[in-house]
Amino acid sequence: AQRVTQPEKLLSVFKGAPVELKCNYSYSGSPELFWYVQYSRQRLQLLLRHISRESIKGFTADLNKGETSFHLKKPFAQEEDSAMYYCALGLYGGSQGNLIFGKGTKLSVKP
Amino acid sequence: DSGVTQTPKHLITATGQRVTLRCSPRSGDLSVYWYQQSLDQGLQFLIQYYNGEERAKGNILERFSAQQFPDLHSELNLSSLELGDSALYFCASSTGRLIDTQYFGPGTRLTVL
Repeated sequence: AQRVTQPEKLLSVFKGAPVELKCNYSYSGSPELFWYVQYSRQRLQLLLRHISRESIKGFTADLNKGETSFHLKKPFAQEEDSAMYYCALGLYGGSQGNLIFGKGTKLSVKP
Repeated sequence: DSGVTQTPKHLITATGQRVTLRCSPRSGDLSVYWYQQSLDQGLQFLIQYYNGEERAKGNILERFSAQQFPDLHSELNLSSLELGDSALYFCASSTGRLIDTQYFGPGTRLTVL
C-alpha cells in the first residue's frame, strides 16, 4: 500500500543550525514527491517537488529510491522556517493526481 | 485574488445536520481535490474532480458527496454529521495534467456539536 511516513512529530533546532526533516515512502511505482509547508494560520504551500530539483528558501530534498526517502534539508535554519512541513507522494494510475500526505513534522526554530 | 478560495471559513453545526462547503479553483485549473485534515488522521484525500467529472476517490464516506459545476467550482456535501466529522476541509486545484502541482485553499473549519 502507498504510504508516507514522517517519523518526527516535532523537531526543535536553534537558529543557524542545520535541519533535516525525514520522509520515507512506500510505493511500487515511480514516485512523484513533494514537500508542502503550512505557516501558522496560512494555507498549505508547495515548498518543492523532486522533479524540479529546485532549492526554495534554502531547502533542498533529494529522492533516494534505494532508501525510499525524500528528506528535506537546510544548512542554516531561520526563525521564519518555523512551520508544519508535510511530505506528499503523488500517485499515477487509478488515483491519478491524488496526493498521499505524511502526518507532518512541526519545525520550531529557536532564537 | 486568483488563488483557490473556499467558503465559509468556519462552520458550526449540530449532529445529524447537512452542510455544503464551496471551493473555487485557480483561474485556468480544471482539477479540484478535497482533503480532510483532522488531528488523528492527518491530511486525507477525499475526492478529485476533473472538468466536471469524478476522477479519483479516496477515503470519502458514503455520507459525503461532491460535485464540480460547469464553471468549475466545486461543492462538498456532508450529511448526517457526526462529532467525528469535525475537521479542517481543504480544497486544492491543479491544471489536471499528470501529477501537476496542487494549490490549496485556506480551508473550511467544520465543528460539529
